[in-house]
Amino acid sequence: AQKVTQAQTEISVVEKEDVTLDCVYETRDTTYYLFWYKQPPSGELVFLIRRNSFDEQNEISGRYSWNFQKSTSSFNFTITASQVVDSAVYFCAPIIQGAQKLVFGQGTRLTINP
Amino acid sequence: DTEVTQTPKHLVMGMTNKKSLKCEQHMGHRAMYWYKQKAKKPPELMFVYSYEKLSINESVPSRFSPECPNSSLLNLHLHALQPEDSALYLCASSQDRAGLNTEAFFGQGTRLTVV
Repeated sequence: AQKVTQAQTEISVVEKEDVTLDCVYETRDTTYYLFWYKQPPSGELVFLIRRNSFDEQNEISGRYSWNFQKSTSSFNFTITASQVVDSAVYFCAPIIQGAQKLVFGQGTRLTINP
Repeated sequence: DTEVTQTPKHLVMGMTNKKSLKCEQHMGHRAMYWYKQKAKKPPELMFVYSYEKLSINESVPSRFSPECPNSSLLNLHLHALQPEDSALYLCASSQDRAGLNTEAFFGQGTRLTVV
């Protein structure tokens, strides 16, 4: 079985602050993939990143960065210099190879205040 | 084109009605999905189609009936729904089955209200 925990239900910060969204997962498999999705108020889920379990390099994409720590089963997401447009619900989702299921965490509602 | 198109965007239906949700993608993806999302909850998987064949049914009630007429289209037929079925229904597609190092692209969803 796999399980994902996003302990932060809601986060509210002021624009330009840095913010980190936590994701902790459980799996006994050695091969798996980790995803982050963003869901703005419009409802569409927007793909942000995919990592596989063999690649522990951290990744940066503009103001977004991800910290994958296999030893602690965590895949945290940081937004640097947050903007109002970053306001959304963010979902972490692990998937085990062959499971065919993208299972979402409970999500973190991020509000960036001007 | 990384677009998944869902119609209609909003739907209100009575408990005795029959309606259908439609989903279309032209990315050549061979896996398509239906998810259901209640307010303030994460999306929950309902069905997975892989190469136009139903590969996963997450014990969804028979009042929801999926159909994949071809590799670009996915329908969800609705009949005799209950008010608790009111939710956002999301369609997604991916290059191949989830779990094979491929991300899923989602449509904007159909917001369904059952009265």
